[in-house]
Amino acid sequence: TQLLEQSPQFLSIQEGENLTVYCNSSSVFSSLQWYRQEPGEGPVLLVTVVTGGEVKKLKRLTFQFGDARKDSSLHITAAQPGDTGLYLCAGAKINNAGNMLTFGGGTRLMVKP
Amino acid sequence: DAMVIQNPRYQVTQFGKPVTLSCSQTLNHNVMYWYQQKSSQAPKLLFHYYDKDFNNEADTPDNFQSRRPNTSFCFLDIRSPGLGDAAMYLCATSETRGSSYNEQFFGPGTRLTVL
Repeated sequence: TQLLEQSPQFLSIQEGENLTVYCNSSSVFSSLQWYRQEPGEGPVLLVTVVTGGEVKKLKRLTFQFGDARKDSSLHITAAQPGDTGLYLCAGAKINNAGNMLTFGGGTRLMVKP
Repeated sequence: DAMVIQNPRYQVTQFGKPVTLSCSQTLNHNVMYWYQQKSSQAPKLLFHYYDKDFNNEADTPDNFQSRRPNTSFCFLDIRSPGLGDAAMYLCATSETRGSSYNEQFFGPGTRLTVL
């Protein structure tokens, strides 16, 4: 069974603070996706990282894929209330039934003004 | 611009009364997925279609069925909903032909309430 452990589960911070969310596994993934989900909506894809050691930036969000493609992190600089939501990491593997995702348990972020 | 569309957004049904949720996509992706998501949890895969091939997860109850009449549409049928089936149901799509990134694109979800 592939497991993707995400931490922390909950995070409540003040506007302007920085934070990091971690996603760890003992399995190697072909790629890893980060999603943000707002209440009552479906997850929205933020980024896909593919290469070991890859770093991608999306405005104030920085995503990193571990060298061994087993772990990833999401760092948010100067968090805003609009960043509030559920952040999900998902590791991807291809098999002969399609491309399957293993989801982490999610990090619920609340940014207070 | 909607790419993965789910109808209805909110569905209320009675205990034991069959219900069907629908999903359509404009992306022409060959894979469609159905997930169940309970409050503050990660989505749980129920099953998926790889083209016309149906793939059921081992722990998905028989109460849940699916149909994919064509590339664009996929349905989730709950034959006899129980109180424990109240959840958000998410449809997602992905393209495997020529892609190694395995990205899945989600619809907005249907929130099911069972009375």
